[in-house]
Amino acid sequence: EDQVTQSPEALRLQEGESSSLNCSYTVSGLRGLFWYRQDPGKGPEFLFTLYSAGEEKEKERLKATLTKKESFLHITAPKPEDSATYLCAVPSLSYGQNFVFGPGTRLSVLP
Amino acid sequence: AAGVIQSPRHLIKEKRETATLKCYPIPRHDTVYWYQQGPGQDPQFLISFYEKMQSDKGSIPDRFSAQQFSDYHSELNMSSLELGDSALYFCASSTGMNTEAFFGQGTRLTVV
Repeated sequence: EDQVTQSPEALRLQEGESSSLNCSYTVSGLRGLFWYRQDPGKGPEFLFTLYSAGEEKEKERLKATLTKKESFLHITAPKPEDSATYLCAVPSLSYGQNFVFGPGTRLSVLP
Repeated sequence: AAGVIQSPRHLIKEKRETATLKCYPIPRHDTVYWYQQGPGQDPQFLISFYEKMQSDKGSIPDRFSAQQFSDYHSELNMSSLELGDSALYFCASSTGMNTEAFFGQGTRLTVV
């Protein structure tokens, strides 16, 4: 069964305090890993797609990396507007068309 | 850039009523997904369509049905609503399999 876990569950940072979020997955034949940002009451906003181990993607203060068993979302010098829940997702093993989401990391950046 | 459009944004229904949620995917996207998200939970997959055919089915109750029309928009029909159906319902669209999906802003359904 596809499993996606994320840690920590919640993270509080001071503005400018860099950190990393973790997404671990147990799927055979990874066919992509996706990072999303979700603000309360809103739809997940697509951030990155990673397909192969060693791949890295960057966007402003965010950098996503992928290994064979996990992905990291590094946040450099975060600002309060980076506060959100960060979700990772992988395509389901069923070879149908759906995504399995992790439980998310709730990030709070304090000014 | 065009995004996924969902309507209505908010819906209040009574128990045992029916509801229809609509989703208009990004132009030229051929795949639509429906997800349900309860408070504090991650999105749970309901059903997906590829080229107007159902492509995968998740934890969608038998009381719910969905379809994708010739113009690629999709509708989620929910009957005999229960209090536990209260949630955010998201639609997402993508181009084919294993590509990033873009989500709409969701429909907040409240069953009273």
